[in-house]
Amino acid sequence: SQQGEEDPQALSIQEGENATMNCSYKTSINNLQWYRQNSGRGLVHLILIRSNEREKHSGRLRVTLDTSKKSSSLLITASRAADTASYFCATDASQGAQKLVFGQGTRLTINP
Amino acid sequence: EADIYQTPRYLVIGTGKKITLECSQTMGHDKMYWYQQDPGMELHLIHYSYGVNSTEKGDLSSESTVSRIRTEHFPLTLESARPSHTSQYLCASRLGTDNSPLHFGNGTRLTVT
Repeated sequence: SQQGEEDPQALSIQEGENATMNCSYKTSINNLQWYRQNSGRGLVHLILIRSNEREKHSGRLRVTLDTSKKSSSLLITASRAADTASYFCATDASQGAQKLVFGQGTRLTINP
Repeated sequence: EADIYQTPRYLVIGTGKKITLECSQTMGHDKMYWYQQDPGMELHLIHYSYGVNSTEKGDLSSESTVSRIRTEHFPLTLESARPSHTSQYLCASRLGTDNSPLHFGNGTRLTVT
């Protein structure tokens, strides 16, 4: 069963604008992670937020987590053409095996 | 980027062939994973391992098998490839501690004709 669902499925913005992607999940989690995937490549870890954290920053990335709504958002500020990629959220369940379950991703296109 | 390597990068084979996708990591990670991903779609976990001699099936039913004889090596084998196996296969690893991220290889793009 799919744990995470992401919204929107595709997003196209102009360079310099901010991009916001959302992720919803179903079960209790230890942490939620965001990954980036360039076309035809593996995923690269961007940022991890623990279940007891509400917000986290890393460079131009800002992640929020609302465990009461079982949702997270990823904000990329001052976007660049090089940010064009697919972005996935992944949840690390608080019970059972340490398996990350991925959402279906948001395809982000930054137009120069 | 990551010290995790997958070979081959691309593979085109005929139906019925036996294939092994290789995955190796040099980070000493205990936990390793195989995910299957169709283009533009989500990742589905097909196998994982907690350490040497430990293998488990993932959430997506798969006709493949895995082995973990050495910490650094986690190969995936298809005994008889079929066109439905056409997909991208991603290998990943992580430390055994909580809150550790996954490190991914660049994947093997498999096409079965």
